[in-house]
Parts: sequence; C-alpha cells; structure tokens
Amino acid sequence: ELKVEQNPLFLSMQEGKNYTIYCNYSTTSDRLYWYRQDPGKSLESLFVLLSNGAVKQEGRLMASLDTKARLSTLHITAAVHDLSATYFCAVDIKGGSEKLVFGKGTKLTVNP
Amino acid sequence: KAGVTQTPRYLIKTRGQQVTLSCSPISGHRSVSWYQQTPGQGLQFLFEYFSETQRNKGNFPGRFSGRQFSNSRSEMNVSTLELGDSALYLCASSLEAGGWETQYFGPGTRLLVL
Repeated sequence: ELKVEQNPLFLSMQEGKNYTIYCNYSTTSDRLYWYRQDPGKSLESLFVLLSNGAVKQEGRLMASLDTKARLSTLHITAAVHDLSATYFCAVDIKGGSEKLVFGKGTKLTVNP
Repeated sequence: KAGVTQTPRYLIKTRGQQVTLSCSPISGHRSVSWYQQTPGQGLQFLFEYFSETQRNKGNFPGRFSGRQFSNSRSEMNVSTLELGDSALYLCASSLEAGGWETQYFGPGTRLLVL
C-alpha cells in the first residue's frame, strides 16, 4: 500500500524567511504533484515532477524530486502572506489501484 | 476553456437519506475521478471513470457508487448516509486515464449529514 507522508503538518513562519516542506512516499513512483488549497476552496495544481532530479520553480516556490530517496521537497523563499494555504503532495502510480494518493497536507501560515 | 464544474456546491442531508452529486469535466477530458476530503482522513480517492467504465476504486463501502455518461459527465451517489459521510467531495478531470495526466479539480460539493 502506498503511503505518502508530509512534514511538517503545520508551519508558521515570518514573512521574508525560507523554509522547506518534505514529502516522502513508500513505493516507487516517477510522478509527483504539488497542490495548493486555500480555505474553503478546491485544489490548485502547482507543480508536476516527472523524473528523478526534476526541479520546477514558480515565483517563491521551488519543488524537487529525488525518486531514489522517494522524497520531494517544496522550498519557500522569502515567504509572503499570500503564500498562506495548505500544500499537498500527491503521488501517482501508473497502473495502481488509486489515481492519486495524497499526503495529509502542510498548513502554512505566513505572519507579517 | 471552462474548468471542472460541480453541482450542487452545498448540500445538507439527514442520516439514512441518499445523495447524488454531479461533475462536468473540462471539455475534451474523458477521465473523471472523485475524492473525499475530511479533516480526519484527508484526501481519499473514491473512484475513477473513463469512457463510462469504472477503472479504479478506492477503499470505500458499496454505499458509494458512481457512473459516467457518454458526454463524460459523471455522478456519484451515496446511499444510506452516515454522519461520517460529511465531507468535501472533489471531482477531478484529465484528458486520458491510465496514463499520467495532470488532474484538474473542481470547486467541490460540501455535504453535511445531520
């Protein structure tokens, strides 16, 4: 059974600071997603990481994937209040019984 | 291009009732997946439909069922509602199934069971 673990689950940080969210998964997969969810809203796709060593960046967010370590990171640079949201990683196993398996999510609060 | 739409957006039901939720995928998308989101269990996969056939099913009881129509629109049904079925139900669409297509999520239907 595929397990996806995120940490931390809660993150409170000050504007301007840097931090990293970690996503570990238990079974071989070559495709990992990061989503953002604002309170009461749906999921917004941030990044799709397709292969080992993949790195994607958008604004203050950068995601990377290490398939050998079964680890993805979401790095936040110089956080701003608008980044406050819950961030989910999700893993897709081709041919698996589940379409996507999600982590529990990391609730990020950026304080002024 | 219009996004994924779900109706209704909010629903209140009582225990024992049944409910039907609807999802219209992005135009041209043929795969529709359903997820349940609760504070305790997080996001959990319910099932996936492609070309009117259920391709995958998550670990949910038989009270949860779904179907897909020839225009790719999908419905999910929950019978004999329980308090624990209160959740946000999200629908996601992608171009194909079986491949690794990015899924695009709808706004969700928030179901409250009293």
